[in-house]
Amino acid sequence: SSELTQDPAVSVALGQIVTITCQGDSLRSYYASWYQQKPGQAPVLVIFGKDNRPSGIPDRFSGSSSENTASLTITGAQAEDEADYYCNSRDNSGDHVVFGGGTKLTVL
Amino acid sequence: QVQLQESGPGLVKPSQTLSLTCTVSGGSISSGGYYWSWIRQFPGKGLEWIGNIYYSGNTYYSPSLKSRVTISVDTSKNQFSVRLSSVTAADTAVYYCARHRVGQCTGGSCEWLDPWGQGTLVTVSS
Repeated sequence: SSELTQDPAVSVALGQIVTITCQGDSLRSYYASWYQQKPGQAPVLVIFGKDNRPSGIPDRFSGSSSENTASLTITGAQAEDEADYYCNSRDNSGDHVVFGGGTKLTVL
Repeated sequence: QVQLQESGPGLVKPSQTLSLTCTVSGGSISSGGYYWSWIRQFPGKGLEWIGNIYYSGNTYYSPSLKSRVTISVDTSKNQFSVRLSSVTAADTAVYYCARHRVGQCTGGSCEWLDPWGQGTLVTVSS
C-alpha cells in the first residue's frame, strides 16, 4: 500500500470549488507535487512545491500544505478538469519516491 | 521544449527481461540539473516509481524492484533505458519515462516529474 493516501473519488458541481487531499507522514518534511491524468493520456504536472504552477496550467489550480496533508484546490471547476489526480512525494524514510493511489474527480 | 519518447517491445514472455529506451529531444541529458525517471502504471490505474538516473550514472531504485531493475544512460544518444528481469504477469503495465527535478522550494524540499513521455504498454504473456 502507498504511504500517501488519497480519497478514491470526489465530485464537484460545475463552477464550484473542490479540494483533493493527500495524506502521509512524509508530507511534514517534503512538499507534494500533483498530476492530472485524463483517459488514455500521460500524467501532466499541475502543481509542485509550496504552490507553483507550470507554464500553461490555469490559475484555478492551487496547492497548499499543512502538517501531514497536501491539498490541491480547483476554484471554479470546469468540465475539462474531470480526470484522475495523483500526488507524489517521498516515502517516510525520505529515500524513495512514492505516489498516492489517485483520486477520480467527477464534474457534475 | 523537452520531449520524451519511450520505445521497446510491447510483449515480453514470463521470466524474460523487459527492456525499454527513452529518447530525449529538445534538451540534453548531459546538461545536468535533472534526474531521469521511469514510472509504470498498472491496469487498475496505480502509479509506481521504478527508479531514476543522473547523467553521471548515479542511480536510485524503488526498494521493491531493486533486485530486478537496472537503469542506464547513453549521453551520446541522449537516451536512458530500463531493464527489468524475471518478469511476470504482474509487471504488465504502461511504462512512462519522465524528467525528474529535485530541489529546494520556498519552505522546504520539493521535486516533480515533468514532462512525461506518452507511455508504452508492455504486456507479459506467453
